[in-house]
This record gives sequence, structure tokens and C-alpha cells, in this order.
Amino acid sequence: DQQVKQNSPSLSVQEGRISILNCDYTNSMFDYFLWYKKYPAEGPTFLISISSIKDKNEDGRFTVFLNKSAKHLSLHIVPSQPGDSAVYFCAASITGNQFYFGTGTSLTVIP
Amino acid sequence: DTGVSQDPRHKITKRGQNVTFRCDPISEHNRLYWYRQTLGQGPEFLTYFQNEAQLEKSRLLSDRFSAERPKGSFSTLEIQRTEQGDSAMYLCASSLEGVGSYGYTFGSGTRLTVV
Repeated sequence: DQQVKQNSPSLSVQEGRISILNCDYTNSMFDYFLWYKKYPAEGPTFLISISSIKDKNEDGRFTVFLNKSAKHLSLHIVPSQPGDSAVYFCAASITGNQFYFGTGTSLTVIP
Repeated sequence: DTGVSQDPRHKITKRGQNVTFRCDPISEHNRLYWYRQTLGQGPEFLTYFQNEAQLEKSRLLSDRFSAERPKGSFSTLEIQRTEQGDSAMYLCASSLEGVGSYGYTFGSGTRLTVV
């Protein structure tokens, strides 16, 4: 049973524009949410997090939004750069130990 | 510190053989995690250690799988009597206790192919 879902397997965006990656979850007990970025042949790299007590967290070009009532999470990248091209995973946890990952969205930023 | 190291990077084995992977976490991290990722899926939790104690195991970790962290530093993951369904990327990660909300640091993984 997939508790974290990323329904868009891929996304293409022009350089300089906004990239919006979406994630839905089913378990209302989740209280930590993370986004990871993964390049081929490398392990996932932590990007940004948000706890359930917040609805927004910003770090430079990256902003994560949390809508608890809709059980929806999104990652905004502004402006998008070619180096952002990677697979992005969202992940959720109750305890901060075991994380449930989505299936990933492959982002391509076109120069 | 060079981050989380995993060895080997690739392993091809025949069905029925045993394999063992090693993970060296970031030295000051007391928590160590094992995840498995199959093609088209996100990482799936297998187990985690706090120091040398194995605190949680997923039901994905069948009795053919065993993980150890004998001195609270490096960890090994052994798969006995490998099956083709074990083919996957095995990822190790580490963190400091209490910073789970800030994510783990993953290694580059060990890709296992069972033929």
C-alpha cells in the first residue's frame, strides 16, 4: 500500500521558469516531510524538509508547501536551472526514523 | 569525512548464493539505516540501528536477510540464498539521533543483480 504518491513520473520546464513537483499522502499521522534529489548512480541527497506544524518552508530557490487538510505536499523551484535536472522524491515519516518514499518525479530543465 | 560509504558498488551473483554488503556511516552519526530501491520505485525501509542496537525491522526483511552493526560503527547486510527478486539497489544512510526531520545522508548504494 503506497502511503506516499507522486503521480507525475516526469516534468519538463524551461530554464528560469518555476518547477512545481507534487506529492500526496494518505496517513494523517505523518508529521515530517522531506524532499530528496537523486542524480543517476548516486544516492538521494536531502534537499528540504517541513514539519506538520508549518505550512511553508523556504531555502533559497526551493520552497516546500504543506496542505494538511488535503494531505498534499509540493516543492517549488524558482528559477529552475539545468543543474536541477534529477529525480525528486518526497518522503514522509511519523517518528523521523522510518521514512516512506514516493516513486519519484524526473525533472528536466531545458536550457 | 567523505560521507556514507558503501561497498561494493555493484554485485552480480548467481541465484542461491549468499552476498554481504558493507556500509560505513559518517563517523559521528549514531543511527544507521538500510533501504532498498527497485526500478521505478522509491526507497523502501528495511531496518535501522541506533549504535549497535537494531531498533526496527520492516516486514520486507525476510529471514534470508540479516543486518548487523557489531560495534556501532560500520554495518553489514547479508542476503542468504539470493533470489531474482532481490535484485535492487541497497542504500545505506546515517544520521544523528533526533535529527530525522532533517533527513539522512545516503550513500551511493550497492546495486545487486541476481542472475
